[in-house]
Amino acid sequence: GENVEQHPSTLSVQEGDSAVIKCTYSDSASNYFPWYKQELGKGPQLIIDIRSNVGEKKDQRIAVTLNKTAKHFSLHITETQPEDSAVYFCAAPGYSSASKIIFGSGTRLSIRP
Amino acid sequence: DVKVTQSSRYLVKRTGEKVFLECVQDMDHENMFWYRQDPGLGLRLIYFSYDVKMKEKGDIPEGYSVSREKKERFSLILESASTNQTSMYLCASIQFGGSAYNSPLHFGNGTRLTVT
Repeated sequence: GENVEQHPSTLSVQEGDSAVIKCTYSDSASNYFPWYKQELGKGPQLIIDIRSNVGEKKDQRIAVTLNKTAKHFSLHITETQPEDSAVYFCAAPGYSSASKIIFGSGTRLSIRP
Repeated sequence: DVKVTQSSRYLVKRTGEKVFLECVQDMDHENMFWYRQDPGLGLRLIYFSYDVKMKEKGDIPEGYSVSREKKERFSLILESASTNQTSMYLCASIQFGGSAYNSPLHFGNGTRLTVT
């Protein structure tokens, strides 16, 4: 069945360094790939998304890359800051059924001062 | 900005009580969802609704029911709360884009329910 695998589950980086989180999906029909950030005590919030007609999208220190052939997409955070500490989720929605909005298992990112 | 509001941030209930979790969204979204979030298990879909009075089961509907009498409001009901329903509950809404989900989910800030 459809699946989204997210790695790593935890990630600790030095402030100022880069962080990369990767997701692999199985449903080739997926064409929209969002990344959500969940801060402590809050619900997940969209931070960046990409559609299947582009390979990369950037928004300041955050970027997402998509490889449709390999069925994976990655979140890149450069020049990490303490406020980047959070749990990050990827998702790969499918077609015509809410049960096909499949989330990755989450990555807890910690930024070391 | 879309706002999804969950009526309670924290709830403490006793085993056997009937519990109502309320969610309201202000952007006229057709689709609304209830997820449960537990450590190590990620986000699991309990129920969703694609229109008023319409609902479908998600991955873990046992022990739950839902109500959607108005488009903006989606309620999750625990008929008889049990300790294994202690969890974080997240409501979300989305603007369905035709044949596919190609826009983001908008989440509320969650209700942390403790059943004792």
